[in-house]
Amino acid sequence: QQQVKQSPQSLIVQKGGISIINCAYENTAFDYFPWYQQFPGKGPALLIAIRPDVSEKKEGRFTISFNKSAKQFSLHIMDSQPGDSATYFCAASRVQAAGNKLTFGGGTRVLVKP
Amino acid sequence: ETGVTQSPTHLIKTRGQQVTLRCSSQSGHNTVSWYQQALGQGPQFIFQYYREEENGRGNFPPRFSGLQFPNYSSELNVNALELDDSALYLCASSTDSGGYTFGSGTRLTVV
Repeated sequence: QQQVKQSPQSLIVQKGGISIINCAYENTAFDYFPWYQQFPGKGPALLIAIRPDVSEKKEGRFTISFNKSAKQFSLHIMDSQPGDSATYFCAASRVQAAGNKLTFGGGTRVLVKP
Repeated sequence: ETGVTQSPTHLIKTRGQQVTLRCSSQSGHNTVSWYQQALGQGPQFIFQYYREEENGRGNFPPRFSGLQFPNYSSELNVNALELDDSALYLCASSTDSGGYTFGSGTRLTVV
């Protein structure tokens, strides 16, 4: 049962463009929504995260937008660079729950063309 | 660089065999979780340990088991390996207040 749905599966963007990845969740008990970046042969690395009491969070070129009523959140990568080419995963968890596992989306492979 | 170290990086096992994967995390990281990542998919939660006790388990059979040790190391054991167990196995650790740090994983191939 996939509780976090991620789209698109892949996208290609020109250098300097904007990459947008969307996620939707089902479990309203989730209260922590991180995004991870993964390069081939490496583990996921935390990129940025948001709590549901905030509608937007920006860190450098990366922005999370969060819509609690729609149970959706998205990652925007501004001024995309070739070094941003990686697979991106959204995730969700319940911070205060014992065994607070991360539930991941299926991933989006981003290719930034120079 | 990540403070979570996993070993080995790659290994090949035969169906039916048993395997032990190891993880070493940073001092103070009382929580360790293990995830299975099949090719082209997101990581799937296997189980989590907090201060050496299992406190959460995903939808994996009992032949997947683990241990966490006082020195912040941990193990994932898989018995009776099946072809579908071929995947990247990720260890992640965290402090009581922080987010997870993932290791680079162990690529397991079952033939």
